[in-house]
Amino acid sequence: GNSVTQMEGPVTLSEEAFLTINCTYTATGYPSLFWYVQYPGEGLQLLLKATKADDKGSNKGFEATYRKETTSFHLEKGSVQVSDSAVYFCALSVGTGGFKTIFGAGTRLFVKA
Amino acid sequence: EAGVTQSPTHLIKTRGQQATLRCSPISGHTSVYWYQQALGLGLQFLLWYDEGEERNRGNFPPRFSGRQFPNYSSELNVNALELEDSALYLCASSLPGTGANVLTFGAGSRLTVL
Repeated sequence: GNSVTQMEGPVTLSEEAFLTINCTYTATGYPSLFWYVQYPGEGLQLLLKATKADDKGSNKGFEATYRKETTSFHLEKGSVQVSDSAVYFCALSVGTGGFKTIFGAGTRLFVKA
Repeated sequence: EAGVTQSPTHLIKTRGQQATLRCSPISGHTSVYWYQQALGLGLQFLLWYDEGEERNRGNFPPRFSGRQFPNYSSELNVNALELEDSALYLCASSLPGTGANVLTFGAGSRLTVL
């Protein structure tokens, strides 16, 4: 079946540190891959996505590259800010014309000033 | 443009009661998804509605049900509430066709069962 595994948190970093949150997936077919972010008290927001192998999604300084050979989609940011403190979810979807999205367990990030 | 709106924001019920949660998708979105986010856990897929019909269902008992109305808004009903139903219930909507794999979420309805 389809599944997403991401690194357990919480992850605590100092401001301006480098961030990596690992995500690997198992899927039948050719999934699209996503990172969503959930700020305190809010719903999830799409952060970035990639729809095929070797695609790089990027937004707000965050990047992730779709690696088919390693079935991974790791999230990176070169210099985190306090405002990046949130829960980050890796997700995949397979199919066309409507389908369900499978989410990882989420990784909580704390950034200290 | 209004986002996905959910109501109520908070709901407190007791065991055995019924809860009804509501969701209005973004204009033009025809698919509505419901997810349960229990404390400390990730998102668990509950239900997917598209064009008024239930298209897929997660691994939840039949007391979790819902429907989608002609205006694409949706209701989630939880009957015979149990303590472990306490969670944040998130609704998401998506465009039909090729845009269907990007979800836009509401802020959620927090259900507390006492």
